[in-house]
Amino acid sequence: NAGVTQTPKFRVLKTGQSMTLLCAQDMNHEYMYWYRQDPGMGLRLIHYSVGEGTTAKGEVPDGYNVSRLKKQNFLLGLESAAPSQTSVYFCASAIPLAGGPKEQFFGPGTRLTVL
Amino acid sequence: GESVGLHLPTLSVQEGDNSIINCAYSNSASDYFIWYKQESGKGPQFIIDIRSNMDKRQGQRVTVLLNKTVKHLSLQIAATQPGDSAVYFCADRNFGNEKLTFGTGTRLTIIP
Repeated sequence: NAGVTQTPKFRVLKTGQSMTLLCAQDMNHEYMYWYRQDPGMGLRLIHYSVGEGTTAKGEVPDGYNVSRLKKQNFLLGLESAAPSQTSVYFCASAIPLAGGPKEQFFGPGTRLTVL
Repeated sequence: GESVGLHLPTLSVQEGDNSIINCAYSNSASDYFIWYKQESGKGPQFIIDIRSNMDKRQGQRVTVLLNKTVKHLSLQIAATQPGDSAVYFCADRNFGNEKLTFGTGTRLTIIP
C-alpha cells in the first residue's frame, strides 16, 4: 500500500494563478482532510470530507475549494493564489471510530510558494 | 504542550534519558486522543492513541497518560534516541465530531 500520496511535492505560483493539489489514498478510508502548516505552527484544517461526494469547511476555508468525486481522491483548489497561501499543505485520511475519525494518516506534504 | 503563537515550546533531553511531553486540552467532551511525531520535512506520523475510558496506554518505548480531571495528556518516551528528535503534536476529538483538534506542538531535541 502506498498510503496517502500527494501531487505535486513542490510548486511555485505567481499571485493570481490557479492550481489543484491532488491527494490519493489506497486504504479505502471514508474521511479525508486538507491542512495547512505554517512555519513553527500547528496544523490548521482547510476543508474535509466524510465520504464520496461530500465536503465541509474547516477552520481556514477562504480562498480554497475542494472536491471528492471519488472515494480515494480529494482535490484542493486555489482559484486565485495569494502570497498568504504560501505554506505546506498536508492531506490526511482516516477510518471511522464510534462516530468520528480514528487516527489520521498523513501524506508527505506539498510545499507551495506564491510570489 | 499546547501553546499559542509562533514559537514552539522546546524540550531538550540527554540521549538515553526519558522524555515527557505534555499537552493540555480544553474540551471535557473529548473522547479520543492521539500523539503524532513530525520529523523535519515530513508529514505527521501516528505514535499512539488512547480513548477517554483509559488512563494509560503503552506502546513500544512510549506511554501515554490521560488525566481527565485536569484535562492533561502526556507522552513519555523511554531511553530517548537521536531519532526521536522531532516535533510532537497531541490531538483530541469530541464524540460525534468529524474532526481532530491539533495542538501547536513541542520540539524535542536530543543532546548527544
